[in-house]
Amino acid sequence: DTGVSQNPRHKITKRGQNVTFRCDPISEHNRLYWYRQTLGQGPEFLTYFQNEAQLEKSRLLSDRFSAERPKGSFSTLEIQRTEQGDSAMYLCASSVNRLRLGEQFFGPGTRLTVL
Amino acid sequence: AQSVTQPDIHITVSEGASLELRCNYSYGATPYLFWYVQSPGQGLQLLLKYFSGDTLVQGIKGFEAEFKRSQSSFNLRKPSVHWSDAAEYFCAVDRTEYGNKLVFGAGTILRVKS
Repeated sequence: DTGVSQNPRHKITKRGQNVTFRCDPISEHNRLYWYRQTLGQGPEFLTYFQNEAQLEKSRLLSDRFSAERPKGSFSTLEIQRTEQGDSAMYLCASSVNRLRLGEQFFGPGTRLTVL
Repeated sequence: AQSVTQPDIHITVSEGASLELRCNYSYGATPYLFWYVQSPGQGLQLLLKYFSGDTLVQGIKGFEAEFKRSQSSFNLRKPSVHWSDAAEYFCAVDRTEYGNKLVFGAGTILRVKS
């Protein structure tokens, strides 16, 4: 399968714990995005990378959240000191940064439940 | 700032009937518009996209959408719905053709009755 993969698919944690999610994009894609989706809402943009550079971060990305893409391939999203409000589906997407090829391909998501 | 409105939270149609899902966007410049579908346990899948040119765009699975600048709309249509079309549908807007960040609507859940 050459699509976007995310691990784990589900994570249950207790409030105050740290969690880390991983995203592996489609191999030739240089852009990688993180979104968060809560129940009954569309995905909301969190941040994106072009190669290893983090180009934009949403105001939603508080200082408890950090994302990295150290070698321009896979990315990790870490949430420190989780809160119940962090419970959501975290989606990763990737794309090729070329004119009219901006289609983003999404992974299946990581569902986080904070107890 | 960009925003997307999908006025219908739920829509129920009979199998074989036609479908139209509404999407209105707010963006000052030329919008780049997308429709995605999300089935339970599945990632978002792109149905179609509009960058420029012909305002009627064809997508996968028999879907089409029409861009109407005067109405700031990008409604999704299908002439005959199949039971497998039951899913959640999201309209999204991007501010560039290169793939920047998507702003999504809240989604419309489609139910298909037999």
